[in-house]
Amino acid sequence: IAGITQAPTSQILAAGRRMTLRCTQDMRHNAMYWYRQDLGLGLRLIHYSNTAGTTGKGEVPDGYSVSRANTDDFPLTLASAVPSQTSVYFCASSQNRGGYNEQFFGPGTRLTVL
Amino acid sequence: TQLLEQSPQFLSIQEGENLTVYCNSSSVFSSLQWYRQEPGEGPVLLVTVVTGGEVKKLKRLTFQFGDARKDSSLHITAAQPGDTGLYLCAGGIGDDMRFGAGTRLTVKP
Repeated sequence: IAGITQAPTSQILAAGRRMTLRCTQDMRHNAMYWYRQDLGLGLRLIHYSNTAGTTGKGEVPDGYSVSRANTDDFPLTLASAVPSQTSVYFCASSQNRGGYNEQFFGPGTRLTVL
Repeated sequence: TQLLEQSPQFLSIQEGENLTVYCNSSSVFSSLQWYRQEPGEGPVLLVTVVTGGEVKKLKRLTFQFGDARKDSSLHITAAQPGDTGLYLCAGGIGDDMRFGAGTRLTVKP
């Protein structure tokens, strides 16, 4: 049982390049999320998806896009990376969206934009 | 400014000591969750509290949700090195969870 997998584990990227972070879950959860974690700021929600085919903006969506073509996959794309997007990115899923649901997190992707 | 303020930011103690960490806000939350995160891994849920004044115990960990549902505390009794990690609180607002920046706990043998 894998839970949530993320790829790549880490990446160094030149500013201006396009990058897609991959996330796959095998728990058949309806809701999925992308967070970024920065020192002193905690986890901040970038985008979410309540169910396959729908997406929504979180707290810090600018510069990022997502898609949810099926239940299992929720890729995050940086169209033109900037240094301020250097962070650790976590994908998460839960049975449904809402504060009573346990979120299961992937191991994270450490991204450095130079 | 963070919606949820956690204190202290850093805490280093000896094995066997007791400790309390806090999660405070001026906002009211529908639920409050505590997660623990170890280096190189994602957060893992410890507990969810939903009722003002609610207390939950998980072995040596005691979680309390404030009466007004604006704050929470986590108390650890007789801390062990295995308790070392980043403790995050997260408050439910609508369908979103908003996370604090965390308390980084180190328990020395």
